[in-house]
Amino acid sequence: DAGITQSPRHKVTETGTPVTLRCHQTENHRYMYWYRQDPGHGLRLIHYSYGVKDTDKGEVSDGYSVSRSKTEDFLLTLESATSSQTSVYFCAISSQTDTQYFGPGTRLTVL
Amino acid sequence: QKEVEQDPGPLSVPEGAIVSLNCTYSNSAFQYFMWYRQYSRKGPELLMYTYSSGNKEDGRFTAQVDKSSKYISLFIRDSQPSDSATYLCAMSARGQGGSEKLVFGKGTKLTVNP
Repeated sequence: DAGITQSPRHKVTETGTPVTLRCHQTENHRYMYWYRQDPGHGLRLIHYSYGVKDTDKGEVSDGYSVSRSKTEDFLLTLESATSSQTSVYFCAISSQTDTQYFGPGTRLTVL
Repeated sequence: QKEVEQDPGPLSVPEGAIVSLNCTYSNSAFQYFMWYRQYSRKGPELLMYTYSSGNKEDGRFTAQVDKSSKYISLFIRDSQPSDSATYLCAMSARGQGGSEKLVFGKGTKLTVNP
């Protein structure tokens, strides 16, 4: 998976609890992305980062925040998880001109 | 109209068949076109990458881009059971700072039967 790891790989949590997902890369790529994938919706961009401390919103950013304090790590936080955030979350990376490479995914269930 | 349309299938073919997967798009600014393959419970993996119009071939796979018709295709020759997966098209215009914000199709699920 192109030097990308995601943790945890599976998580079950309860509504209202905070959740943080981690994406770690060893490729030193500048750009990092968080997507969610749901049946009938495909892959949708949540947030992305174009450098350390530089982030921006994607099309489904409500209820999510991100942080990038180091090149290699991109964190996605659900401040107060809801059942609608049950999904599979993918991290992706890219360099200046290359296309995106995806991690193995995190399967999150919010009860 | 959605930016990218892709028939979700499912598509079922016999081993050895030629498979054609397609996407249409509405944004004429798109100039980078990709196909990803996603096996069940795995992350998408890049299969083909093309810039602008034309054909690109890689083994049994051929990607075609027709910008005048806003239509892209992926052909799989001599399909194998190992090709059974969901195929996602993706495309982008060059975004902020040179990053490529991809727009994905919803994917076509392909099953190749032995």
